[in-house]
Amino acid sequence: EIVLTQSPDTLSLSPGERATLSCRASQSVSSTHLAWYQQKPGQAPRLLIYGASNRATGIPDRFSGSGSGTDFTLAINKLEPEDFAVYYCQQYGFSPKTFGLGTKVEIK
Amino acid sequence: VQLVESGGASVQPGRSLRLSCTASGFTFDDYGMNWVRQAPGKGLEWVSVINWNSVSIDYANSVKGRFTISRDNAKNSMYLQMNSLGPEDTALYYCVRDMLRAPGAFDVWGQGTMVTVSS
Repeated sequence: EIVLTQSPDTLSLSPGERATLSCRASQSVSSTHLAWYQQKPGQAPRLLIYGASNRATGIPDRFSGSGSGTDFTLAINKLEPEDFAVYYCQQYGFSPKTFGLGTKVEIK
Repeated sequence: VQLVESGGASVQPGRSLRLSCTASGFTFDDYGMNWVRQAPGKGLEWVSVINWNSVSIDYANSVKGRFTISRDNAKNSMYLQMNSLGPEDTALYYCVRDMLRAPGAFDVWGQGTMVTVSS
């Protein structure tokens, strides 16, 4: 199965700063099959990005995704208070679908 | 658009449990559906998928042979029959919808139903 390694484990930033989250796959993943999710405490995950770079419905444009092959990035421009959460990448090109272990973006 | 899970409980190892998911607000039989679980304090693990007409089904290796996914489009419902449960199955189980334009990405999630396996 494809292993997704997210880094860093935790990112400590202040509101207004830019966050850059990394997701590295153990083998090449089609860029059309890479997604990012946000999860806040006590809530279900929310789809942010699909196809590596396409924002899901209602997602603000401060969220952007990029990458190809084995290296993907989620960037969050000008962090808002509601952006502090855990972020997961997921590949859905191969079975089993797999998630990374997550990156926690916390308030510095 | 809503997904509501039910059926979670606390059970002993080796027992069985059946989870249900009821959908509303969208045309259920247009979509593939999944179960995704999250152990307490841990990350997300995809469990199983069923396509719109139940022809295509897949499971994570960790549950293959023990869990069975099914759906009833007339009832806008999906199910997960879980047999031979072990402590490693303890998790919050989410009912999740495949994104229509990107099947395999999950665009709608329920709030989850908790399964605890303990003696």
